[in-house]
Amino acid sequence: ETGVTQTPRHLVMGMTNKKSLKCEQHLGHNAMYWYKQSAKKPLELMFVYSLEERVENNSVPSRFSPECPNSSHLFLHLHTLQPEDSALYLCASSQDRRRKLFFGSGTQLSVL
Amino acid sequence: RKEVEQDPGPFNVPEGATVAFNCTYSNSASQSFFWYRQDCRKEPKLLMSVYSSGNEDGRFTAQLNRASQYISLLIRDSKLSDSATYLCVVENGDTGRRALTFGSGTRLQVQP
Repeated sequence: ETGVTQTPRHLVMGMTNKKSLKCEQHLGHNAMYWYKQSAKKPLELMFVYSLEERVENNSVPSRFSPECPNSSHLFLHLHTLQPEDSALYLCASSQDRRRKLFFGSGTQLSVL
Repeated sequence: RKEVEQDPGPFNVPEGATVAFNCTYSNSASQSFFWYRQDCRKEPKLLMSVYSSGNEDGRFTAQLNRASQYISLLIRDSKLSDSATYLCVVENGDTGRRALTFGSGTRLQVQP
């Protein structure tokens, strides 16, 4: 059993759709993250939830909306995305924000 | 200057070769350092943490040079299975963010 599970693995959506990515961690960690990985670019931190505090990258557009109902679950709500949002979206967790990350398998998102 | 900078490669080496990667970071207040490995279309996985005194794990050796602000990864006796992208990861020393920043990765291709 993997420590961090993400669904769906693949997602194709139109620009007018609304969808959500789901992440669950079974490691007892207290921090969860969303990262975006575009082709030939470094992983880009989008959002961090740690001890109920949310920290975000100010460059993330508002069409991405995170939700963290508890320390084990994390969602990324998507609406009116653009084709340039097509990327691999990775969820991760850690015990404290400076510690090593454990990643889920990612969601490969294509926006048409 | 990028927060974390790596030579993208690719490094093409024969089996059995020794190969070294360097990574430079810009924030002198950074405290935690890691090397991750990412296979094609997969999530990053922790390879090793990097300690001030240097550390070794089998064929892999990591070093930290705080004065020059770089970390290195040495792989001895390369195997075909070592082919992957190696990501340098540095904790962001800014106490307001306290998250990990990823380099773009160095691609290694070990050839028979």
